[in-house]
Amino acid sequence: GENVEQHPSTLSVQEGDSAVIKCTYSDSASNYFPWYKQELGKGPQLIIDIRSNVGEKKDQRIAVTLNKTAKHFSLHITETQPEDSAVYFCAASTGYSTLTFGKGTMLLVSP
Amino acid sequence: GAGVSQTPSNKVTEKGKYVELRCDPISGHTALYWYRQSLGQGPEFLIYFQGTGAADDSGLPNDRFFAVRPEGSVSTLKIQRTERGDSAVYLCASSPGYSGELFFGEGSRLTVL
Repeated sequence: GENVEQHPSTLSVQEGDSAVIKCTYSDSASNYFPWYKQELGKGPQLIIDIRSNVGEKKDQRIAVTLNKTAKHFSLHITETQPEDSAVYFCAASTGYSTLTFGKGTMLLVSP
Repeated sequence: GAGVSQTPSNKVTEKGKYVELRCDPISGHTALYWYRQSLGQGPEFLIYFQGTGAADDSGLPNDRFFAVRPEGSVSTLKIQRTERGDSAVYLCASSPGYSGELFFGEGSRLTVL
């Protein structure tokens, strides 16, 4: 089955800095790569996703890049704000099948 | 509210007891998923329903775990003879079925003493 590796496990940045989280996946058939944000005591919430026919996608301060050849994808957050502090999960799946999640990255943005 | 609702939010039980966790998906969502999240880990897939039937139950760890969705809406995850290793947050998510986005509930935290 699919295996998703995520790093770093924790990331501390100053407000205004950029943050990058990286993931690799094992199943070359995977074609859907979402990123979820989870705040304490809440369920994960989708923040951005990308499909394998696209190399990059942006939504305001958030961007995701995908390298299918290397089987890795990354989340980029620019101009970080304290409210960006949360745990971020990458995931992968083949189409609309079940998602396999990474272990998460705890992002801490200090004012 | 319009989100996924899970009850109870917290459940403490003793080893060997039976537990039921309930999930009310977003109205109209045909797909429903159960995931389990241990401390410091990502959600781990358990079972997926499309309508009333379990389309994929490959994530259920053993036969002590069972889930139903009899009318294609509300789902119940059932755990028999609970063990301390079952302690985790059980997350339910629903999806309209035409996109990949999962809408998660806040989870049911199960503690087995």
